[in-house]
Amino acid sequence: QVQLVESGGGVVQPGRSLRLSCAASGFTFSSYPIHWVRQAPGKGLEWVAIISYDGTNRYYADSVKGRFTISRDNSKNTLFLQMNSLRAEDTAVYYCARVRWNDGAFDMWGQGTMVTVSS
Amino acid sequence: QSALTQPASVSGSPGQSITISCTGTSSDLGSYNLVSWYQQHPGKAPKLMIYEVNKRPSGVSNRFSGSKSGNTASLTISGLQAEDEAGYYCCSYATRSTWMFGGGTRLTVL
Repeated sequence: QVQLVESGGGVVQPGRSLRLSCAASGFTFSSYPIHWVRQAPGKGLEWVAIISYDGTNRYYADSVKGRFTISRDNSKNTLFLQMNSLRAEDTAVYYCARVRWNDGAFDMWGQGTMVTVSS
Repeated sequence: QSALTQPASVSGSPGQSITISCTGTSSDLGSYNLVSWYQQHPGKAPKLMIYEVNKRPSGVSNRFSGSKSGNTASLTISGLQAEDEAGYYCCSYATRSTWMFGGGTRLTVL
């Protein structure tokens, strides 16, 4: 089955860390760049980060730069998001999304994992 | 990195057509044709509806169409149906390999 499945969300205190995972199946994971996109409760979509197909290039939104790190393990078909120094405003559903490099289409999304930053 | 500007809400009756606008700047949406649109029903993941300004993925109804002029992209839905009621988000490539979404538009089918 062609899919992305996120995991690792939960409740965490401000200032702490959390690592999200996104497991891919049914397609050649190592051929695609992958994004993380988040959505705060009742709010719109916010782009977070992207990693190239081979992991050599990574780009971040200003809101998470220096705190979040995107990475991937192509041998395990898995994407990660290491989130440090978490803030209340990082509370959101986090989605991973596959992107086609030639036309920029986010053509496959996971179901999302909820991260709540609260004391 | 500001969000692209969309109207917060639009509405229409079944069978009518509506258009949702998405405005950026000459540094992002105006400079690239990597503009896409996503439909999101409550509690669900977004779904790709339009890519590269005006192309439809296989399986998406031809009632959905996209266009762009200058710094503004548009999504038009013709022959509105009840199942079109959802949130709609535009997305564009921006500078330095970053991306940006619009604030989202809530479509109500009256």
